[in-house]
Amino acid sequence: AQSVAQPEDQVNVAEGNPLTVKCTYSVSGNPYLFWYVQYPNRGLQFLLKYITGDNLVKGSYGFEAEFNKSQTSFHLKKPSALVSDSALYFCAVRDIGMRFGAGTRLTVKP
Amino acid sequence: GEEVAQTPKHLVRGEGQKAKLYCAPIKGHSYVFWYQQVLKNEFKFLISFQNENVFDETGMPKERFSAKCLPNSPCSLEIQATKLEDSAVYFCASSQSGGNEQFFGPGTRLTVL
Repeated sequence: AQSVAQPEDQVNVAEGNPLTVKCTYSVSGNPYLFWYVQYPNRGLQFLLKYITGDNLVKGSYGFEAEFNKSQTSFHLKKPSALVSDSALYFCAVRDIGMRFGAGTRLTVKP
Repeated sequence: GEEVAQTPKHLVRGEGQKAKLYCAPIKGHSYVFWYQQVLKNEFKFLISFQNENVFDETGMPKERFSAKCLPNSPCSLEIQATKLEDSAVYFCASSQSGGNEQFFGPGTRLTVL
């Protein structure tokens, strides 16, 4: 079965610093990987996806993610964090439905 | 529409009562998905549709949960005889194809008392 894991429940960074939210995957075949963000009392917003092609994927709001096949990872990154990036981030892999990780709460402090 | 719409925003039911949730997918999207998000943020896939046909229902507790997507009507998720553990936020999502990114609605918060 396809699955993803997010090893960190919480990530704290200072505004202006780079941020990384980690995700590893376990799939049979080629992975279709996604990142979503959830703000309080809202649904999930799509950030970016990896289907095939370049390992570095650029997405919304300045986020990017690097697909690493040898490490089976798909970490989300941003060069300079904003306070407004504080939210819950979910990594996901396409199965029949989407299989989500447990989520990582990102807090960016001024 | 341009966004996935879900109604109602909040629903409160006594244990044993029926609950019915509605979802209007983005116009032109063929796939609809239902998810349940419980208190620990975990998203559980329930069921998916390709147009009005069930695509996958492996996540559905079939004894009490049912869902439909009929032509020219919002999709619906119905829970017969709700239980306390059904309290959650239920999200609907739609996509153009099965492999594309899914666009999520704002959710319906179900509270079973």
